[in-house]
Amino acid sequence: QSVLTQPPSVSAAPGQKVTISCSGSSSNIGNNFVSWFQQLPGTAPKLLIFDNYKRPSGIPDRFSGSKSGTSATLGITGLQTGDEADYYCGTWDSSLSGYVFGTGTKVTVL
Amino acid sequence: QVQLVESGGGVVQPGGSLRLSCTASGFTFSLYGMFWVRQAPGRGLEWVATIAYDGSRYYADYLKGRFTISRDISKNTLYLQMNSLRTEDTAVYFCAKDAGYCSTPNCYFMDVWGKGTTVTVSS
Repeated sequence: QSVLTQPPSVSAAPGQKVTISCSGSSSNIGNNFVSWFQQLPGTAPKLLIFDNYKRPSGIPDRFSGSKSGTSATLGITGLQTGDEADYYCGTWDSSLSGYVFGTGTKVTVL
Repeated sequence: QVQLVESGGGVVQPGGSLRLSCTASGFTFSLYGMFWVRQAPGRGLEWVATIAYDGSRYYADYLKGRFTISRDISKNTLYLQMNSLRTEDTAVYFCAKDAGYCSTPNCYFMDVWGKGTTVTVSS
């Protein structure tokens, strides 16, 4: 059972914006950096955001990350059909001495 | 370019063992930590284990000592030895590379992933 909670699904029309929340605690999000991963159907996860808000090279600025206290948020603007995927937050948990993932959020483009 | 290729998956009976391999290329393997992450059918991502660049090892509590992560630097290969397998271990197992931004585990994250290898535990 994951210690990071995400909404099961979010949806919006093409061109619109969605946000995905990731709720944790002081032992994980509150004191460690958050990453976000995109998993397209049938493929391996891909890094989207690291260190709470930084984007690896090649990731468009339509994707953004933020963190406040024990929660983090992924934003996707200008939604495209190719953004339909599962999205996961992740971070280190200092109490568990291990990495933890969020429950995952399915993004649907209406 | 950085590439990770997993192998060793298959069908095994409950109680059996399996060793997964992950062959790395395109980077200096000895300088980076590595992860194993799994995904059961229709489920989310689940962290399994991490081996840091200095060889320190970290495991998910639920494994209860059944799995061992290791590496052979001379072969650029990461391993996951899985013993006493259970049906609930059925999953796609991914290896992933740590980005190497820092030396402490609290800032580890996966910047490159392999395509995964499938493990099915069934009688």
